[in-house]
Amino acid sequence: DSGVTQTPKHLITATGQRVTLRCSPRSGDLSVYWYQQSLDQGLQFLIQYYNGEERAKGNILERFSAQQFPDLHSELNLSSLELGDSALYFCASSVGGHNYGYTFGSGTRLTVV
Amino acid sequence: AQSVTQLDSQVPVFEEAPVELRCNYSSSVSVYLFWYVQYPNQGLQLLLKYLSGSTLVESINGFEAEFNKSQTSFHLRKPSVHISDTAEYFCAVSQREAAGNKLTFGGGTRVLVKP
Repeated sequence: DSGVTQTPKHLITATGQRVTLRCSPRSGDLSVYWYQQSLDQGLQFLIQYYNGEERAKGNILERFSAQQFPDLHSELNLSSLELGDSALYFCASSVGGHNYGYTFGSGTRLTVV
Repeated sequence: AQSVTQLDSQVPVFEEAPVELRCNYSSSVSVYLFWYVQYPNQGLQLLLKYLSGSTLVESINGFEAEFNKSQTSFHLRKPSVHISDTAEYFCAVSQREAAGNKLTFGGGTRVLVKP
């Protein structure tokens, strides 16, 4: 157990639907990062939050949004889902600095049918 | 912008043989370098990292990586692999001075250890 908790582990939904992925960071970590892992795109950085505020943005689609709550858990919202959104979505956390590296959760596997 | 290239997508290797996974990066500024391992159906785990100081870094399970600034490389090696080393390995880079600490990952190298 890495200390980063992601729910649900698996999600199957239909095109056009909206889903919410949840991440609880490791205790004491202030930064949360979201990544998408797919066979064709590899690991793509989506977005980072630090202590409730957006810190950096990557290749995140406009249909996707995220937030970090006062208790530091984070949610990634995916809407108007398309088949191509099927992927593993990872959350990672860190204290906030480079020196500590990331700790990854076990991911949420999203399948859009 | 930064990028990472892992030159081999798959590396088959026999048990107890050595293995080297190649990683080259591109960045206009100084970087931190990482290797992560992903076992089947699991998340990524930090294997080792280079932040500063000695260019040779080691992990607790026998892997080592050497930072070569002139060749912009950070190759990962293990002198003798075990079946349990079968996994996908990702090289990653982050800029030392940048808003946020996002990692840019390479495409991964799948290592298959054969008995």
